[in-house]
Amino acid sequence: DGGITQSPKYLFRKEGQNVTLSCEQNLNHDAMYWYRQDPGQGLRLIYYSQIVNDFQKGDIAEGYSVSREKKESFPLTVTSAQKNPTAFYLCASSIGARGGGDTQYFGPGTRLTVL
Amino acid sequence: GQQLNQSPQSMFIQEGEDVSMNCTSSSIFNTWLWYKQDPGEGPVLLIALYKAGELTSNGRLTAQFGITRKDSFLNISASIPSDVGIYFCAGSSNTNAGKSTFGDGTTLTVKP
Repeated sequence: DGGITQSPKYLFRKEGQNVTLSCEQNLNHDAMYWYRQDPGQGLRLIYYSQIVNDFQKGDIAEGYSVSREKKESFPLTVTSAQKNPTAFYLCASSIGARGGGDTQYFGPGTRLTVL
Repeated sequence: GQQLNQSPQSMFIQEGEDVSMNCTSSSIFNTWLWYKQDPGEGPVLLIALYKAGELTSNGRLTAQFGITRKDSFLNISASIPSDVGIYFCAGSSNTNAGKSTFGDGTTLTVKP
């Protein structure tokens, strides 16, 4: 089955700890994205990557870091510098520039709770 | 940056009623997308629109890409309880390749 997977579904961490959220896709998509969603709100872009070994900051990158060492994987680290990390995190991917498509497909999300 | 205004913010309707929601932008988009999100899940793509004036249906859903390229609407006919969720519009343009702009969502509640 082709798709995007995020793990784990629920994650709990103590304040002050860094935590890494996983995102994997087997759709052969070039572009991948991370969004944050707070209750009753829309999606805010954290980071995005249009190609392997390259990524750009989105609208709310402070306190987060990413890497894109493999086409299939785009992990997001929520650092202790992120002041309000509790949220629902969504990963997405799209064909990217080579296919002329920006249609994004989303994973199931990870709900992070910092205690 | 680009912004989308999605309305209404929420809707409470009776089962069987038709629903309409829309998104407007001050910028021109080349692609309009409509997603549905169930609680605790990721958004699922409903309809993708790639051409100004395009009208596309997916079952009881119909969406149109506005002729000015600055707006889009989504209609749901004969609503059913499983239509409950949050509906998002998203637009992207060639000048902002790789990034889509999302509306804040319309929360739909359907009463049986």
